[in-house]
Amino acid sequence: AQSVTQLGSHVSVSEGALVLLRCNYSSSVPPYLFWYVQYPNQGLQLLLKYTSAATLVKGINGFEAEFKKSETSFHLTKPSAHMSDAAEYFCAVSEVTGGGNKLTFGTGTQLKVEL
Amino acid sequence: GAGVSQTPSNKVTEKGKYVELRCDPISGHTALYWYRQSLGQGPEFLIYFQGTGAADDSGLPNDRFFAVRPEGSVSTLKIQRTERGDSAVYLCASSLGQGVGETQYFGPGTRLLVL
Repeated sequence: AQSVTQLGSHVSVSEGALVLLRCNYSSSVPPYLFWYVQYPNQGLQLLLKYTSAATLVKGINGFEAEFKKSETSFHLTKPSAHMSDAAEYFCAVSEVTGGGNKLTFGTGTQLKVEL
Repeated sequence: GAGVSQTPSNKVTEKGKYVELRCDPISGHTALYWYRQSLGQGPEFLIYFQGTGAADDSGLPNDRFFAVRPEGSVSTLKIQRTERGDSAVYLCASSLGQGVGETQYFGPGTRLLVL
């Protein structure tokens, strides 16, 4: 079975500082990886996804992630944090099932942005 | 266009009661997923529909949980004899197709509280 580990349940950064949210995966086959963001009382919104094309993936709101097979990692970064980035972030890996596309999520990282 | 909608947004029930949670996917999306998100956790897969049929229900915790999608659009998640441990946010997602790597679009969720 595939799994995802997110190191750090809470990350705090200053506005304008680098954001780094860590995600490591375990998969027996080449993975498809996703980052989702969840704002309070809202559904999950896709930030970006890796589908075996370019290893550096650019997403919305200035976020990007790099797939590193040797490190089994897919860390999310943003050069300069903004107050509006405060939210919970989930890394997920996709597993083909019954012809479908089941997502296995990590436990999430709560990002706090301080002035 | 309209996103995935879920009703009700909140549901409070008593232990032992029956509840139904509704999901209205994005028009034209053939794949529909249900996930459950407990407090402080990432979403966990429950069941996946392709069209009208449940292609994978391996995530349903026990036989108190059942879901249908009779016309290949709206889906209902049904929980019998609710228990306090069923309290969670139930998320629905849909995708255009069933291929691995397809983006899943999430609804805002139904917050279920079993007293």
